[in-house]
Amino acid sequence: EAGVTQFPSHSVIEKGQTVTLRCDPISGHDNLYWYRRVMGKEIKFLLHFVKESKQDESGMPNNRFLAERTGGTYSTLKVQPAELEDSGVYFCASSLWTSQVIDTQYFGPGTRLTVL
Amino acid sequence: EDKVVQSPLSLVVHEGDTVTLNCSYEVTNFRSLLWYKQEKKAPTFLFMLTSSGIEKKSGRLSSILDKKELFSILNITATQTGDSAIYLCAVGTSGTYKYIFGTGTRLKVLA
Repeated sequence: EAGVTQFPSHSVIEKGQTVTLRCDPISGHDNLYWYRRVMGKEIKFLLHFVKESKQDESGMPNNRFLAERTGGTYSTLKVQPAELEDSGVYFCASSLWTSQVIDTQYFGPGTRLTVL
Repeated sequence: EDKVVQSPLSLVVHEGDTVTLNCSYEVTNFRSLLWYKQEKKAPTFLFMLTSSGIEKKSGRLSSILDKKELFSILNITATQTGDSAIYLCAVGTSGTYKYIFGTGTRLKVLA
């Protein structure tokens, strides 16, 4: 079974440019999450999709970040315009939908974003 | 504010040693605690703990949760160089699917 995949693995852009990150969850996983780790800090939650709906976007830092999951399959995270402080590793995770909130989240390899 | 703290931050041991990694937490309405191993890229799931006092075990790795004292430990016995990685602890709270992560413990096992 294929795991969570993310594209690209690394992106280097200049301040003010736009970048779009993509995540393909494990097939059949309705839950999809975005997390981010900035240098030296812990991994932090950004948002959670259930199928195509945003369930929780409490961790999104500001309105320069836009996440979508059209069709409830893959998801994109767009940063526009990018700022220096957006640099970090963006992780995607997915989990099965269950009736109990004790689901294991499986992580992708992350996209390293560097904003110059 | 919900918080997860891991210790030590970094650890260097020799092959064959036993290590204990710590994860303490302060959260509202604890739901579950996850341990991950991160080598180069994707954090790999190790254990999920929800109940106090029940040890989860997989080979040389084991973990236990103490919900009264609000911590978990991850034990690795007879360490090998392949155990070198960052070990992450994450805590989930009721009413949400998101997890709160600690900064991780970087373990290096020398041959």
